[in-house]
Amino acid sequence: NAGVTQTPKFRVLKTGQSMTLLCAQDMNHEYMYWYRQDPGMGLRLIHYSVGEGTTAKGEVPDGYNVSRLKKQNFLLGLESAAPSQTSVYFCASSSWGAWGSAEAFFGQGTRLTVV
Amino acid sequence: AQTVTQSQPEMSVQEAETVTLSCTYDTSESDYYLFWYKQPPSRQMILVIRQEAYKQQNATENRFSVNFQKAAKSFSLKISDSQLGDAAMYLCAYRSEEKLTFGTGTRLTIIP
Repeated sequence: NAGVTQTPKFRVLKTGQSMTLLCAQDMNHEYMYWYRQDPGMGLRLIHYSVGEGTTAKGEVPDGYNVSRLKKQNFLLGLESAAPSQTSVYFCASSSWGAWGSAEAFFGQGTRLTVV
Repeated sequence: AQTVTQSQPEMSVQEAETVTLSCTYDTSESDYYLFWYKQPPSRQMILVIRQEAYKQQNATENRFSVNFQKAAKSFSLKISDSQLGDAAMYLCAYRSEEKLTFGTGTRLTIIP
């Protein structure tokens, strides 16, 4: 049981470059999330999805885009990377109510450095 | 918007002693969950304990227990008989149907 898989695990970008982070889950969860973690700031929600084909903005969405074309995948894109986007990124998935425990399952994180 | 506040950026405890980490939250919803996650240096997110808002009884998992005060919107974590392996960042989280919101975390150090 793979759970939640994030790729890549590490990446160094130059300012202005673009990239896509992939999150894949095999638990048939409806809800998926992208967070960034910076020292002293906990996990801050970037974007989230409540089902296939839906996305919504979280707390810090600027500079990021997302897509959920398939239920099992949630992609996070950086169109023009900036040094302020240097962070550790986490993907998570969960169920809700009668379909599960509401617990979120997390990927292993992606350490992104923008130089 | 829901907010989660952890007012203790760092805590330390002597091995085998008991420590309590505090967490408060703000919400107008009635149906929600609260969680404590542990994040060791490996960055892995590990669920420690879960509390459903409709349950009055405090959740317990082995050496970990919570004090859930719904009216006060407080959700503290008590770790009994602290062990070296408990050293980590502890993150309090609030879950409504759509969103999962985290506090800023408490870094726990265990003193041998």
